[in-house]
Amino acid sequence: AQRVTQPEKLLSVFKGAPVELKCNYSYSGSPELFWYVQYSRQRLQLLLRHISRESIKGFTADLNKGETSFHLKKPFAQEEDSAMYYCALGGSSNTGKLIFGQGTTLQVKP
Amino acid sequence: GAVVSQHPSWVICKSGTSVKIECRSLDFQATTMFWYRQFPKQSLMLMATSNEGSKATYEQGVEKDKFLINHASLTLSTLTVTSAHPEDSSFYICSPARDRGGETQYFGPGTRLLVL
Repeated sequence: AQRVTQPEKLLSVFKGAPVELKCNYSYSGSPELFWYVQYSRQRLQLLLRHISRESIKGFTADLNKGETSFHLKKPFAQEEDSAMYYCALGGSSNTGKLIFGQGTTLQVKP
Repeated sequence: GAVVSQHPSWVICKSGTSVKIECRSLDFQATTMFWYRQFPKQSLMLMATSNEGSKATYEQGVEKDKFLINHASLTLSTLTVTSAHPEDSSFYICSPARDRGGETQYFGPGTRLLVL
């Protein structure tokens, strides 16, 4: 079964501290993994995807097929990073259909 | 990025009435539209996938007769919640299919429905 698990509902850190938002997935095919962010009162927007291997706003995520994980990391959190973060799984069929994790609220305290 | 709009942005209705939500992709043609639902403090759950000119495909547990989806053109898809009940109160979000290059999926701003 296709599934995305984000074990933490809330992650609270101080400004400047490292951040790791965990994401594990279950998928039998070739996965496409994404991280989406939703700032307060704004629409969902793409943060990054594993295919591009890019860093956005200082965030990176590496797909680990052995551990079926796609954790989101940032070495130094900023207050403006406070938001809801969703890990999402797409399939190799490239249809655009996404399965979302439960989401993790990141709270960066001053 | 693509521009996706939804109308209305929020709606309050009485139980038993029907509500239509429009989703428009303003600057690209969406052959496929995904409709998601998000309950408070929960994740997005895919409700259905609509393809232009054909019937929508519904996810397990989603009543097709209750949530009518029409995708009459490449820029407009509508979701109608028929005979709405309080448990239908939720945030409904549309998402057009990815760009041809499979690059990014865009989302509408969402429609908040409150059924009294």
